[in-house]
Amino acid sequence: AQKITQTQPGMFVQEKEAVTLDCTYDTSDPSYGLFWYKQPSSGEMIFLIYQGSYDQQNATEGRYSLNFQKARKSANLVISASQLGDSAMYFCAMREGSLADRGSTLGRLYFGRGTQLTVWP
Amino acid sequence: AAGVIQSPRHLIKEKRETATLKCYPIPRHDTVYWYQQGPGQDPQFLISFYEKMQSDKGSIPDRFSAQQFSDYHSELNMSSLELGDSALYFCASSLGPGQGATTYNSPLHFGNGTRLTVT
Repeated sequence: AQKITQTQPGMFVQEKEAVTLDCTYDTSDPSYGLFWYKQPSSGEMIFLIYQGSYDQQNATEGRYSLNFQKARKSANLVISASQLGDSAMYFCAMREGSLADRGSTLGRLYFGRGTQLTVWP
Repeated sequence: AAGVIQSPRHLIKEKRETATLKCYPIPRHDTVYWYQQGPGQDPQFLISFYEKMQSDKGSIPDRFSAQQFSDYHSELNMSSLELGDSALYFCASSLGPGQGATTYNSPLHFGNGTRLTVT
């Protein structure tokens, strides 16, 4: 089963507007972390924001915030005041487990299929 | 701040040739991961190392091997290259338990990737 689901292959937003990129996840592990990465057309993978499963408050990082709804297993990324430079592919990702365990699958990052965001003037 | 360094940035090989990709993790990061990203796809996990030992294995072909050295840098060796191996290969590093981190809340920091083209 897909651990991370991103249902929006593409999103469009006008400059200076806010946009929400959806992400749902599937895990039975009580300890997990949720991450968002940005991949511009140049290819690099840039870490944006993190939310832990035990965090009570939604994470924020500058113009990025994470709308974490644990009961619904969703971790949507909100970008406020979009800029042209925000145009990129955005990946939601998850890590499971509280302790690294050699030989197990704990620790790898599971990615969704991504959402291509286009910001227009 | 220091980032993950990958070399080379671009690599062109012919079918059946071999390739070696190198990765230098962020200082103090004791865990290294390799991912493969095909065109228009999400990154696929290949293999990871913790404290120089293989810690996890994903969809890595038998033609590929990897290791982590005493200085924590890692190399991905790819033999008998096929056209389908053309992809962007990422190395990532993170803090592990050896540095007091728990696995799930440490982000992976990615290098800029090696773009491999097999002709």
